[in-house]
Amino acid sequence: DAGVIQSPRHEVTEMGQEVTLRCKPISGHNSLFWYRQTMMRGLELLIYFNNNVPIDDSGMPEDRFSAKMPNASFSTLKIQPSEPRDSAVYFCASSFGQVAGFGPGTRLTVL
Amino acid sequence: GEDVEQSLFLSVREGDSSVINCTYTDSSSTYLYWYKQEPGAGLQLLTYIFSNMDMKQDQRLTVLLNKKDKHLSLRIADTQTGDSAIYFCAEYDKLIFGTGTRLQVFP
Repeated sequence: DAGVIQSPRHEVTEMGQEVTLRCKPISGHNSLFWYRQTMMRGLELLIYFNNNVPIDDSGMPEDRFSAKMPNASFSTLKIQPSEPRDSAVYFCASSFGQVAGFGPGTRLTVL
Repeated sequence: GEDVEQSLFLSVREGDSSVINCTYTDSSSTYLYWYKQEPGAGLQLLTYIFSNMDMKQDQRLTVLLNKKDKHLSLRIADTQTGDSAIYFCAEYDKLIFGTGTRLQVFP
């Protein structure tokens, strides 16, 4: 079975550019989570969806961040405009009941 | 809001047992998880416990849950150098993670 798939694995961009991170959850999972991991802040929950509906986006740091889940098999996290302090590893996770899986992460560097 | 806390570091000698502790605040959590993260890698689910259980054993891993005190622990028996990693506890319904405990195993 394929696990959670994230793309790209690495992204280097310049300040001010738009960045789009993509996630394909495990088939059959009905919850999807976006996290950001940095040395300073650890693993922060940004937003989570249940049945494609955003349930809690209180972790989204600023209006520059937005997330969508147009269907059960795809989600995006967009940063526009990006800033150097957005540099981090962004993880996507999905779950169904107690079964949860993580993607490999996207390492974002904003210069 | 919900919060999950862990101690930051733990050092043990190879062959000893390791105990990593976690406290959480959300009493409605249905599951509690332990994840492992090796350097530069993603998170690997180690084990989980349903909130109506108080213990779960899985090979070298023992999870203890004290729901009254909202305290979760992970015991690793016969700790090996390959167990060196960061260990995260997490509570579900919102899959909130703790700060992570960096386990260092010395030969």
